[in-house]
Amino acid sequence: DTEVTQTPKHLVMGMTNKKSLKCEQHMGHRAMYWYKQKAKKPPELMFVYSYEKLSINESVPSRFSPECPNSSLLNLHLHALQPEDSALYLCASSGTGLAGYNEQFFGPGTRLTVL
Amino acid sequence: AQSVTQLGSHVSVSEGALVLLRCNYSSSVPPYLFWYVQYPNQGLQLLLKYTSAATLVKGINGFEAEFKKSETSFHLTKPSAHMSDAAEYFCAVSDPMYSGGGADGLTFGKGTHLIIQP
Repeated sequence: DTEVTQTPKHLVMGMTNKKSLKCEQHMGHRAMYWYKQKAKKPPELMFVYSYEKLSINESVPSRFSPECPNSSLLNLHLHALQPEDSALYLCASSGTGLAGYNEQFFGPGTRLTVL
Repeated sequence: AQSVTQLGSHVSVSEGALVLLRCNYSSSVPPYLFWYVQYPNQGLQLLLKYTSAATLVKGINGFEAEFKKSETSFHLTKPSAHMSDAAEYFCAVSDPMYSGGGADGLTFGKGTHLIIQP
């Protein structure tokens, strides 16, 4: 199974809502990532988890809260978002260290709209 | 920090013609380099990767890329374009020196939109 799944596919939320994005992989990867992609822009790294521990946080606002409950799951909790946070949120997974080469497998993304 | 530059935000070729998408990297040591393709409203799919094993890398869907250290380039080519190749293409880089058993995120170029003319 070389698939990364993300739910939901689409999400519309108000600025006062709390919602969560979910990502799952069953490739035995121990690194998982969140990227944000605005329209007609490249993906930008948000967070990296390695062995279920947060290893990289690219100065993301605290209204985004990542969580890695186990090696197969990655969540992104959203609270008090702004309209400019509307984007495609991509999850990815990879092997770790030199052997992993950082070849990342991406999910289809969650299209988030903040009203 | 590592970075890649993609020359040309849009490239238009005729069906059956050669596809050439340009990517240059900036790094003092050869990094790991990747080409990804993104179709509308979808995630990214890996086309090919360079990890220092071979300078000419063959990928999926007939694409290949050549790593040229002297030119700090990793251009993507395909001999004959198909209509189905129309998509956004991203060159990306990661740090091969990242240690500690962890992982490094990818840094993407700005992307090249490939248009195929019938």
